Amino acid sequence: GNSVTQMEGPVTLSEEAFLTINCTYTATGYPSLFWYVQYPGEGLQLLLKATKADDKGSNKGFEATYRKETTSFHLEKGSVQVSDSAVYFCALRGGGTSYGKLTFGQGTILTVHP
Amino acid sequence: DGGITQSPKYLFRKEGQNVTLSCEQNLNHDAMYWYRQDPGQGLRLIYYSQIVNDFQKGDIAEGYSVSREKKESFPLTVTSAQKNPTAFYLCASSIGGTGEAEQYFGPGTRLTVT
Repeated sequence: GNSVTQMEGPVTLSEEAFLTINCTYTATGYPSLFWYVQYPGEGLQLLLKATKADDKGSNKGFEATYRKETTSFHLEKGSVQVSDSAVYFCALRGGGTSYGKLTFGQGTILTVHP
Repeated sequence: DGGITQSPKYLFRKEGQNVTLSCEQNLNHDAMYWYRQDPGQGLRLIYYSQIVNDFQKGDIAEGYSVSREKKESFPLTVTSAQKNPTAFYLCASSIGGTGEAEQYFGPGTRLTVT
């Protein structure tokens, strides 16, 4: 079956530091890949997505590139802000008969200090 | 404004009681989903519905039931058979269940059973 593995957290950074959160996946076929963000006490918001190999998703300064050869979709940001403190989830959606079902990683807590 | 409403935000119940969580969307989406979130874990799919009057079990359906009598509503009942019901429950919807349709999430309901 499909699975997603994220780097262990929590991650603590100072403002303006570089961020990388690793994500690797196992899936059959050609999945779509997503990063969601969850701010404290809220639901999930889609941060970015990529639907085929070598696509780069980007939003709000965050980027992730769909690497089929390494089955990875690492999230990066060049300069984090305190407001980026949240939980980040990597997810995939398989094609075929998976009916839009999302498979999530365990989430990575990011805390950014001033 | 269009969106997904979940109510209440916090819910407390005694062990052995059934409880129903509400999810309403005015996005005119066909597909709806229920996920469960536990600390340190990603979201896990409980049930999903592709269309009115039809729904399918997800990965952890035991102890839960749903109905989809109206397009905009997808209530989840947590029954007394669910052994560990305390969790954060998230409802989501999408235009369709296949392809690249984005899932939009509600704000969630935190259920505590004592």
